[in-house]
Amino acid sequence: KAGVTQTPRYLIKTRGQQVTLSCSPISGHRSVSWYQQTPGQGLQFLFEYFSETQRNKGNFPGRFSGRQFSNSRSEMNVSTLELGDSALYLCASSLGPTGELFFGEGSRLTVL
Amino acid sequence: AQTVTQSQPEMSVQEAETVTLSCTYDTSESDYYLFWYKQPPSRQMILVIRQEAYKQQNATENRFSVNFQKAAKSFSLKISDSQLGDAAMYFCAYRSPNFGNEKLTFGTGTRLTIIP
Repeated sequence: KAGVTQTPRYLIKTRGQQVTLSCSPISGHRSVSWYQQTPGQGLQFLFEYFSETQRNKGNFPGRFSGRQFSNSRSEMNVSTLELGDSALYLCASSLGPTGELFFGEGSRLTVL
Repeated sequence: AQTVTQSQPEMSVQEAETVTLSCTYDTSESDYYLFWYKQPPSRQMILVIRQEAYKQQNATENRFSVNFQKAAKSFSLKISDSQLGDAAMYFCAYRSPNFGNEKLTFGTGTRLTIIP
């Protein structure tokens, strides 16, 4: 069974640009969540989707958005990039609220 | 809101020895899930062990076991017979079972070094 797949693995953007990250969950998993990992702030929850509906959102500005498609694949978008958005963005999928989260390898975003 | 605290930023252990990583959490919920995740330098987060709060028995997975003290809100991870491949960042995490609030709340992590 394939794991959680995130693309792209690495990307470099400049301030003011926008970026879209993609996540394909494990087959059969309908819940997808996103986390931002930085050395200073650690792992912070961005948002969670279940059956195309955002069920929970972390404390991030509106520049951070996401969506989930009918096949459970998810995308997150960051607009008007700032230097502080440089981070490892992790996607995780699970069967539901009682299941453990399975993580992808992450997308490393560098903002110059 | 729930919080998770890992008070040991770094730990080291001799190969084949035993090490315990500490984690405490704060919550007003009576039912929840606790996890230990491992993040090696390759950075993919891997689940090490999970514990359901309603279970009194401590979870065990091969060389990994936990000491879950619900009243004290403590959830430590014991690694026995440490191996070089155990070197990684270890994160303790809390998850609520309540609909719409299933996010993971992570601690700040403990970097574990294995000394050959």
